[in-house]
Amino acid sequence: QKEVEQNSGPLSVPEGAIASLNCTYSDRGSQSFFWYRQYSGKSPELIMFIYSNGDKEDGRFTAQLNKASQYVSLLIRDSQPSDSATYLCAVNGETSGSRLTFGEGTQLTVNP
Amino acid sequence: DAGVTQSPTHLIKTRGQQVTLRCSPKSGHDTVSWYQQALGQGPQFIFQYYEEEERQRGNFPDRFSGHQFPNYSSELNVNALLLGDSALYLCASSLEWVGNEQFFGPGTRLTVL
Repeated sequence: QKEVEQNSGPLSVPEGAIASLNCTYSDRGSQSFFWYRQYSGKSPELIMFIYSNGDKEDGRFTAQLNKASQYVSLLIRDSQPSDSATYLCAVNGETSGSRLTFGEGTQLTVNP
Repeated sequence: DAGVTQSPTHLIKTRGQQVTLRCSPKSGHDTVSWYQQALGQGPQFIFQYYEEEERQRGNFPDRFSGHQFPNYSSELNVNALLLGDSALYLCASSLEWVGNEQFFGPGTRLTVL
């Protein structure tokens, strides 16, 4: 079992729709959860982080965390073509120290 | 406020050679982590430096080594390059405590021929 798994892509949504990106993790001691956006040929850019169970909203982005289910998700409302990128889920915690463990990413395409 | 910087941007080497990559962290950050990202994969943790010491290491061979300087900048050295070392090498800076956000530099694209 991979330490961090993301829903297989690619994911394609029409402009204005909600894009839902999912991630599960195996380490129950994980404490911090991050979503990075990576455009083709560029480096990852931090867009959201969440530490506590529940929802965290920032503009069009909402991160959701359920530690009991070891599940974290990212919702993008009113998706725009500029949101087309690969989204990486990353986790760290007690057993991993401060290193980030990444999933393989989900490629999102928003069609105009 | 300068973000994370890395040099060089691109590098082409041949098998068996050695390479040094450089990173300057974001202003105010004291911790530098290095990651390797192969095409189509998520970044893989190589090691992390804090207070000029390697604090944590991922599953990479001893050919990969590093250093942190008093000004918090860092180097990644790779000896005896293999074709499989071709990847995007990312430096991330953060403040020293578990769970804090890590900010990535633009990366160095290494090609080994």
